[in-house]
Amino acid sequence: EVQLLESGGGLVQPGGSLRLSCAASGFTFSTSAMSWVRQAPGKGLEWVSTISLRGESTYNADSVKGRFTFSRDNSKSTLYLQMNNLRADDTAVYHCAKGGTAGTGWRTFDYWGLGTLVTVSS
Amino acid sequence: DIQITQSPSSVSASVGDRVTITCRASQGLSRSLVWYQHQPGKAPKLLIYAASTLQSGVPSRFSGSGSGTDFTLTISRLQPEDSATYYCQQSNSFPITFGQGTRLEIK
Repeated sequence: EVQLLESGGGLVQPGGSLRLSCAASGFTFSTSAMSWVRQAPGKGLEWVSTISLRGESTYNADSVKGRFTFSRDNSKSTLYLQMNNLRADDTAVYHCAKGGTAGTGWRTFDYWGLGTLVTVSS
Repeated sequence: DIQITQSPSSVSASVGDRVTITCRASQGLSRSLVWYQHQPGKAPKLLIYAASTLQSGVPSRFSGSGSGTDFTLTISRLQPEDSATYYCQQSNSFPITFGQGTRLEIK
């Protein structure tokens, strides 16, 4: 059974930093692109970032470019999202999501985690 | 960036009814359109990919159609457990973009 477990969320002041983690299990982690998708309170889903199989390439939303860094450790089946210079509009539940197979495509998210809440407030 | 316009923003229907949700893209996607179901307190769930292919385990009352810029999700024979917010997403290119969501209420 595929499981994605996010952690690291919490309350942080504007301008502060936070590192999210996502522990994956139940599939061959190194063969899947992975992504972060967030949902601000009362809002819809917003794609944040995607990382390739070995982590050599990342793709980021304009809203987080230069502030968020996405990385992965395939030996630990774990993702990391380093978030710097946080702003109030970064407040959201952050979900990690598994990219699909060759059939579904890597920009299709076939499994998601429950998410971790990040609140940016003074 | 590809913009996705999803409608309606909310819909209310009864058990057994059929509901249709539409998404329109600002440029052609071929068939690179995905549908998700998101229920409160649960992880989003993949329903349909490539515009019309049902994800394994998803009930056949869910169906998708369309290509290019116009896409439709149809839920037939509504069940109480279909109460959720539904999102479309374009999987054609980065940046990945979602529709605004459709909240489905079962009367």
